[in-house]
Amino acid sequence: DAGVIQSPRHEVTEMGQEVTLRCKPISGHDYLFWYRQTMMRGLELLIYFNNNVPIDDSGMPEDRFSAKMPNASFSTLKIQPSEPRDSAVYFCASMQENSYEQYFGPGTRLTVT
Amino acid sequence: QKEVEQNSGPLSVPEGAIASLNCTYSDRGSQSFFWYRQYSGKSPELIMSIYSNGDKEDGRFTAQLNKASQYVSLLIRDSQPSDSATYLCAVNPSGTYKYIFGTGTRLKVLA
Repeated sequence: DAGVIQSPRHEVTEMGQEVTLRCKPISGHDYLFWYRQTMMRGLELLIYFNNNVPIDDSGMPEDRFSAKMPNASFSTLKIQPSEPRDSAVYFCASMQENSYEQYFGPGTRLTVT
Repeated sequence: QKEVEQNSGPLSVPEGAIASLNCTYSDRGSQSFFWYRQYSGKSPELIMSIYSNGDKEDGRFTAQLNKASQYVSLLIRDSQPSDSATYLCAVNPSGTYKYIFGTGTRLKVLA
């Protein structure tokens, strides 16, 4: 069974550009989580969805960040405009309801120059 | 006070020894606890989950939970160089489905 799929795996962009990260959760999983990982701040939850509905977006750093989940098999995290301080690894994870176990995708390494 | 605390390490142990990793948490109502292993440049991989006080064993790994002391630990028996990684403790606060992660403990197993 395929795990969580993320694309692209690496993204290099210039400050001010729009960045879109993509995630396909494990089939049948009801929850989807977006995380950001940096050396300074560790692994931070940005937002999570249940059945395609955003439940908690309190970790989204500012209005430049937005996330959508148009259907059960696809989610996007968009940064517009991007800034150098957004450089990090962004992970998507999914979970089946009542299991409480999250499974992570391979991540997208974002570099904003 | 951080919600989930781990010693950043590195924790160095010789091959074949027992590695002991510790984690404390602040939300007394937390119900679910997890250990993830993360190799450099890779994503976190779930290795253990524990929900009840006591020990839970899976192969060379044992998770220990003490809710009264708000403490969860991971023991790795017969440590191998391939166990060298960062180990992340995650806690599920009461009433939510989200995790709070610790900053991780870097483990080095010396051959």
